[in-house]
Amino acid sequence: GEDVEQSLFLSVREGDSSVINCTYTDSSSTYLYWYKQEPGAGLQLLTYIFSNMDMKQDQRLTVLLNKKDKHLSLRIADTQTGDSAIYFCAEPGGGADGLTFGKGTHLIIQP
Amino acid sequence: DAMVIQNPRYQVTQFGKPVTLSCSQTLNHNVMYWYQQKSSQAPKLLFHYYDKDFNNEADTPDNFQSRRPNTSFCFLDIRSPGLGDAAMYLCATSRGTGGHTEAFFGQGTRLTVV
Repeated sequence: GEDVEQSLFLSVREGDSSVINCTYTDSSSTYLYWYKQEPGAGLQLLTYIFSNMDMKQDQRLTVLLNKKDKHLSLRIADTQTGDSAIYFCAEPGGGADGLTFGKGTHLIIQP
Repeated sequence: DAMVIQNPRYQVTQFGKPVTLSCSQTLNHNVMYWYQQKSSQAPKLLFHYYDKDFNNEADTPDNFQSRRPNTSFCFLDIRSPGLGDAAMYLCATSRGTGGHTEAFFGQGTRLTVV
């Protein structure tokens, strides 16, 4: 079966880098995703990476993919209070066209 | 502008009383999904429609049904809600299958069963 694992909480100081980690089990996943959920809001696609890449950078976001270890990480540089949210790792699955999500990592920003 | 709209944002229903949650989209996407998200849990896919074709997940209880009368609207019907059905219900859309297809989510409907 498919299973996506994440730590439930991460606390960082404002201005520091945040690194959110995820492990997945489906080695055939062609894309891997990071979604962000702010309080009271739906999930929003933050970034994604194609499985033939090992790194993708988009402004303050860096995604690292280690296919051998089935490990995905999201690094947020210069973390701001507005980054406070739940971050979900996801891979295709949970059905023909759906996504299998991790439980989400609560990112807590300390002043 | 909101592209995937869920109504209502909050729904309270009585144990065993049928309830319907609604979702509409302005994206003209082929696929519409319903996810159930319980507290501190991963969103779990219940079913999806590709156009008019309904696809149920194997472990989705029979208590949950869905209707898609047209491209824009999709409904989630819970025939006899139990206390364990209290959750956030998320609707999402995407263009179609294959490759990278971004899923767009609504804000969700939080269902309380009393």
